[in-house]
Formats: sequence, structure tokens, C-alpha cells
Amino acid sequence: SAVISQKPSRDICQRGTSLTIQCQVDSQVTMMFWYRQQPGQSLTLIATANQGSEATYESGFVIDKFPISRPNLTFSTLTVSNMSPEDSSIYLCSVLRGTYEQYFGPGTRLTVT
Amino acid sequence: AQTVTQSQPEMSVQEAETVTLSCTYDTSENNYYLFWYKQPPSRQMILVIRQEAYKQQNATENRFSVNFQKAAKSFSLKISDSQLGDTAMYFCAFRQGGSEKLVFGKGTKLTVNP
Repeated sequence: SAVISQKPSRDICQRGTSLTIQCQVDSQVTMMFWYRQQPGQSLTLIATANQGSEATYESGFVIDKFPISRPNLTFSTLTVSNMSPEDSSIYLCSVLRGTYEQYFGPGTRLTVT
Repeated sequence: AQTVTQSQPEMSVQEAETVTLSCTYDTSENNYYLFWYKQPPSRQMILVIRQEAYKQQNATENRFSVNFQKAAKSFSLKISDSQLGDTAMYFCAFRQGGSEKLVFGKGTKLTVNP
């Protein structure tokens, strides 16, 4: 398994501002992922972050809105920029450990007012 | 694109009984993996069980087992001897071989009643 922490655990933000979410893993991993879980919905992959390269974004997500950093093999950040109420979601990071399994962080619950 | 369908938005079961959650998926690939994840009210996603498509034998993890029907593209989760701690959202997920991306279903909210 993997121990993954996220900061902040929750936040309430004003429209038009930005929030940076941190994800820390207890050991080195090659691939980290960022997901969004809108209220009552499933998880949608935002982007994949590999250390030393630009993040790869899924359709519907762009770097200007969700810039990602991956400075080393245990840490990543996701910024939600110029927020609107539609960005209110839970944001989760996950890591790939071994061949098959993704492990998830506890999530960051974001409310935009 | 692969899709995952969970047709039961909510289910309930009495403690100690057995419940089966349904999942179907759509893919033209032959090499893939299937997963069931559990998300309790505390929000942390936990991997419950996985199945490799090339394996005919159904995966089992303690009280959790799957019924994998490859031809029917069906992947149901059976929880035996349900416990109150099994109350959670359960997500079925698909991963194509050679890719690390997970595609999730919409989830089934399971409530175990005392």
C-alpha cells in the first residue's frame, strides 16, 4: 500500500481566486494522478503527472485552469485557478504502486462561493 | 472509449447477509484489468479487489469475491457476511492493459443495516 497525505483537507474559497492542493507520498513513485469528484458523482481523471516532464491532461482539462507541478518523486501540487462555483468538488491524488494498483489520498474538499 | 456502468445507484442489505453489486463495461480490448474500490463516508478510497482479464478464475479477498464474465463484459462484486463497516460507495473501475488510467463507474451506495 501507500501512505498519501493531502493538504488542505478542505477549504472554502472565493470566486476568482486560486487554490493549490498538495499531495505527499511516503515513498518514491513514478506516476501520480489527479482526479476530480464532483458532488455525488464518480471520479474523473484530470491529469497524470510524471516527475521531470509536463503533466498530461485529459480531454476537458487544460493546464491554464489546472496547473500541476511534480518537483520530485514524492510530491505534487494541483492548482485550481480562477475558481468558479462549478469547481466545487473533491480533488484526489493517487499513485501507481506496483503493476496494477492505484492508491488514493484522502482528498481535498473544495467549496467555491 | 471504454465505459463502465453501474446500474444500481443505491442498495441496502441486512448485517450478516450477502449482497451483489453489478458492473458492466464496454471495451474492444482483450488485455485489461478490473477493480472494485470502496469509498467510506470518511472519503478515503480503498482498493477492495482486482481481476486480470486473462485470468479465468474469479478473484477472492476474504468476504469479497467477484463474478467475472468476460464474454458478457460483466464484473459483479459479492460481499458475504455483510458488516456495518461495509457501508460505503463502491466504484467499479476499468484499466486497459498498457495504460495506467482508471475509468470509473458512477458508483453504488451500499448501506448495511443492523
